[in-house]
Amino acid sequence: NAGVTQTPKFRILKIGQSMTLQCTQDMNHNYMYWYRQDPGMGLKLIYYSVGAGITDKGEVPNGYNVSRSTTEDFPLRLELAAPSQTSVYFCASSYEGQGTQYFGPGTRLLVL
Amino acid sequence: GEDVEQSLFLSVREGDSSVINCTYTDSSSTYLYWYKQEPGAGLQLLTYIFSNMDMKQDQRLTVLLNKKDKHLSLRIADTQTGDSAIYFCAESINTGKLIFGQGTTLQVKP
Repeated sequence: NAGVTQTPKFRILKIGQSMTLQCTQDMNHNYMYWYRQDPGMGLKLIYYSVGAGITDKGEVPNGYNVSRSTTEDFPLRLELAAPSQTSVYFCASSYEGQGTQYFGPGTRLLVL
Repeated sequence: GEDVEQSLFLSVREGDSSVINCTYTDSSSTYLYWYKQEPGAGLQLLTYIFSNMDMKQDQRLTVLLNKKDKHLSLRIADTQTGDSAIYFCAESINTGKLIFGQGTTLQVKP
C-alpha cells in the first residue's frame, strides 16, 4: 500500500490564484482530513469527511473548499489564494472516527 | 474549548531519558496520541493510549496518563540522535477530530 499520497510537494502561488491540493489513500479508509501547519505551531483542522459525499468544517475552513466524490480522493481547493494561506498542508485518513490517523508527506504552499 | 499544551523545547544528552509533557482540557477524550515529525516530513504515529489506561509501554517508549490532572507524558529511554524531532501530543474528541499541541522540539546532543 502507498498509504496517503499528496501532490504537489511544493507550490508557489500569486495572490488571487486558485489551486487544488490532491490527496489519495489506498487503505479503504472512510475518514479523511485536511490540516494546515503554520511555522512553530501544531496542526489545525480545515475540513474533514466521514465518507464519500459527506464533508464538514473543521477549526479553520475559511478560504477553502473540499469534495469527496470517491472513498479514495479528498481534494482541497483554494479559490483566491491569500498570503495568510502560506503553510504546510497535511492530509490524513483513518478507518473509523476514533481510529489512528495516517498522514501524507505534506504540501508546502507559498503565496506571494 | 479544547486545548492541548506542550513545552516547546527539550535538550538531552545521548543515552539519557527524555520526558515530554502535555496537558489537555477535554475530559471526554477517548484516545491520546504521540506523533513524531522529522524535518520536512509528515507526522508519524509513535504510540497512543486509551483514556481508561494509566500507562502503556512500547519498547523504549512509555506513556503515562493522569486523567484526573489531564496530563500526558512520553518517556523515551536511552535517547538516540535519531530521536531528534518534533513531538506532538494530540487528543481525539468526538467524530475522530484530533486537537494537536504546538509540538516539543527534542534536541539530542552526542
